[in-house]
Amino acid sequence: GQSLEQPSEVTAVEGAIVQINCTYQTSGFYGLSWYQQHDGGAPTFLSYNALDGLEETGRFSSFLSRSDSYGYLLLQELQMKDSASYFCAALRDSNYQLIWGAGTKLIIKP
Amino acid sequence: ETGVTQSPTHLIKTRGQQVTLRCSSQSGHNTVSWYQQALGQGPQFIFQYYREEENGRGNFPPRFSGLQFPNYSSELNVNALELDDSALYLCASSPTSGSVDTQYFGPGTRLTVL
Repeated sequence: GQSLEQPSEVTAVEGAIVQINCTYQTSGFYGLSWYQQHDGGAPTFLSYNALDGLEETGRFSSFLSRSDSYGYLLLQELQMKDSASYFCAALRDSNYQLIWGAGTKLIIKP
Repeated sequence: ETGVTQSPTHLIKTRGQQVTLRCSSQSGHNTVSWYQQALGQGPQFIFQYYREEENGRGNFPPRFSGLQFPNYSSELNVNALELDDSALYLCASSPTSGSVDTQYFGPGTRLTVL
């Protein structure tokens, strides 16, 4: 079947660094995306990895290892506004379908 | 804010009824994808429309159907509503199929089935 596993909840302190892991089992895997969703809001695209390695966009970085079926999202210099749910999603090449994980709720403490 | 709009914002229906949800894609985007997000879960892919044709479908029954119009706006229709259809329905538009990094989500329609 198709599945992505990520922790349900992560807690961190303002100003710190946090890593959210994602393992996937998806046929026809094409790449891994990350999204942020605040309560009651729409998902917002953060990052996409089609190739192994690290992609950096400001305070956010994302990593992919195809051989390990694993990726992570790294958030640096955490701010209170980063409190949200973060989703990894695998893009399948068969029909460009996105398969989503259940999400990780990030709680940030002052 | 993205240029993707959805209507209505909230909707309450009873079991067995039919519902139509609407999505206006961002200017210049010819691809619309629909997702169902149950409370506390990740979105699940329903289907995608590219230039008015269905371009892929997730694991949803035929009572979930859709349309895309020449202006690339889209509709999601659900017949014979069930209690489990209660969810946030999201549409996302992109300039072409498969371009996840330029896919923008609308605010969603919250459907409650009683």
